[in-house]
Amino acid sequence: AQSVSQHNHHVILSEAASLELGCNYSYGGTVNLFWYVQYPGQHLQLLLKYFSGDPLVKGIKGFEAEFIKSKFSFNLRKPSVQWSDTAEYFCAVNARGTNAGKSTFGDGTTLTVKP
Amino acid sequence: DTEVTQTPKHLVMGMTNKKSLKCEQHMGHRAMYWYKQKAKKPPELMFVYSYEKLSINESVPSRFSPECPNSSLLNLHLHALQPEDSALYLCASSQGGLAGVETQYFGPGTRLLVL
Repeated sequence: AQSVSQHNHHVILSEAASLELGCNYSYGGTVNLFWYVQYPGQHLQLLLKYFSGDPLVKGIKGFEAEFIKSKFSFNLRKPSVQWSDTAEYFCAVNARGTNAGKSTFGDGTTLTVKP
Repeated sequence: DTEVTQTPKHLVMGMTNKKSLKCEQHMGHRAMYWYKQKAKKPPELMFVYSYEKLSINESVPSRFSPECPNSSLLNLHLHALQPEDSALYLCASSQGGLAGVETQYFGPGTRLLVL
């Protein structure tokens, strides 16, 4: 079975600070990796994804993530956060092969950015 | 149209009631999903339909009954629910039939309260 671990449950930053949110997964096969964001009062939306190719992927709003296969990690980064980045961030793993369709989400990280 | 819509937005029901949640997308997506999300928790996968056939049931109790009448519609029929079933029910869709391989687009959810 696959599992996802997000190390930081609640992160508080000041505007312009740099952000890194950790995500590690456990699965023996090939996976697709996602970061979703849920802004206050809004529904889940995709921030970025990794399927294959360049392990450094760029998403919307200046976010990027790096897939490190040897570490089973897919950490999210942003060099300079804004107040509008305050939201809940979920890392997710979708297995391929026989487990295709089984999406597993991490517990989420609440990011609060102080103006 | 890049939206997944869900109705109703809110639902209050008694333990003996029968109700249904509805989800609709007009993006031509061939995979559709139901998730359950408790407060401050990640979404938990319940069901996946691929090409209108149920492909994944994550051991969900039979008081939840999914239905996919056509490629644009997904229903979740509720009967004899328990108070612990109170949660946000999210619908999602993705483009291909190989569910889980691609980005999922989420609806705003139905907030269910079981009394």
